[in-house]
Amino acid sequence: RKEVEQDPGPFNVPEGATVAFNCTYSNSASQSFFWYRQDCRKEPKLLMSVYSSGNEDGRFTAQLNRASQYISLLIRDSKLSDSATYLCVVNIILTGGGNKLTFGTGTQLKVEL
Amino acid sequence: DGGITQSPKYLFRKEGQNVTLSCEQNLNHDAMYWYRQDPGQGLRLIYYSQIVNDFQKGDIAEGYSVSREKKESFPLTVTSAQKNPTAFYLCASTDRGNTGELFFGEGSRLTVL
Repeated sequence: RKEVEQDPGPFNVPEGATVAFNCTYSNSASQSFFWYRQDCRKEPKLLMSVYSSGNEDGRFTAQLNRASQYISLLIRDSKLSDSATYLCVVNIILTGGGNKLTFGTGTQLKVEL
Repeated sequence: DGGITQSPKYLFRKEGQNVTLSCEQNLNHDAMYWYRQDPGQGLRLIYYSQIVNDFQKGDIAEGYSVSREKKESFPLTVTSAQKNPTAFYLCASTDRGNTGELFFGEGSRLTVL
């Protein structure tokens, strides 16, 4: 089983739709969680951190379910500019204070007119 | 402005040649990472370094080497022993004390002819 699993998509949705992605992780010792966005042939950029209480940033909402070991990302009122690959990232803090971050393979979103 | 600079952005090499990718950061971050990304795949960790003069193998270190002589610099050498070196290489850094948010360079795209 992969440490971090995502549905690769692509998810093709019309503009204005609401779309949700899930990501599951296998290591229960994972301590922090992130969603990154990656545009084609570019570097990933942090979209948002994911907290147990859930967090929202504009049209984006992230949730963490530790019991079931998954995180989710909800995008409301999707825009053409939301088209990208969304990477789920799971972090374990190492002995000595370093971080071990594991990336999912990403979910591709295409928003269409 | 603080950030991570990778060079070169595009690199072509012949089989059997070693090549070194540069990564410099002025964020005063302790930890630095090298990832490889292949088309349609997630990021895979090659090497990471939590402090100067120390580095650890990641999941796919074979055929690669690194050094960390200065806090700001973490060059990656792709050796001739790497069987399939054509890929997109991403350097990242993070503050060792934080929860794991990564800051990425723009990437280096290596093509072996």
